[in-house]
Amino acid sequence: ILNVEQSPQSLHVQEGDSTNFTCSFPSSNFYALHWYRWETAKSPEALFVMTLNGDEKKKGRISATLNTKEGYSYLYIKGSQPEDSATYLCAFNSGYSTLTFGKGTMLLVSP
Amino acid sequence: NAGVTQTPKFQVLKTGQSMTLQCAQDMNHEYMSWYRQDPGMGLRLIHYSVGAGITDQGEVPNGYNVSRSTTEDFPLRLLSAAPSQTSVYFCASSSQLAGDYNEQFFGPGTRLTVL
Repeated sequence: ILNVEQSPQSLHVQEGDSTNFTCSFPSSNFYALHWYRWETAKSPEALFVMTLNGDEKKKGRISATLNTKEGYSYLYIKGSQPEDSATYLCAFNSGYSTLTFGKGTMLLVSP
Repeated sequence: NAGVTQTPKFQVLKTGQSMTLQCAQDMNHEYMSWYRQDPGMGLRLIHYSVGAGITDQGEVPNGYNVSRSTTEDFPLRLLSAAPSQTSVYFCASSSQLAGDYNEQFFGPGTRLTVL
């Protein structure tokens, strides 16, 4: 079983704060790293698919970076808003058909 | 496109009962999978299929059966429900095209309680 770790487990910030969380994964047999956003009572939705070392992806106030050599990815949220409250999942793909998910970082943004 | 659909949304079973959770997708995806989500455990893979007629076990397959007779459908069967199977179940599908990197599309989930 592949080890995909996310930290912190949960995070509580104030509206307007910028924040970031980490996903660590095996540095060998890398194919892709996925980030998903998962709101309560809904299903996970894809944010980014990252494939190349040094990749940076951005969607609005959310961005992500990738370091495949050391096996980590950061997700950044600039100027957090209450609607950003969700669990953020990363998932590692070693080239096989299955993804291995981390346990997620639960973000709560207070107004 | 409806995407990935799951039925039912909610279900309560008694210990020992059997049932089938339905999953269907209309995106012509080859790959389909079932996950369970439990507090503090994230998403754990139960079974998956890379195409019609092909299924394989994931991380937590015990107590569940699957079959894949068509590309569109991937039902999950609980043969004899146990309280430990109380969970939220998500079905997902993805394309196996190289450029898609197995990005998964999730259904809305089925919340199952076993008493």
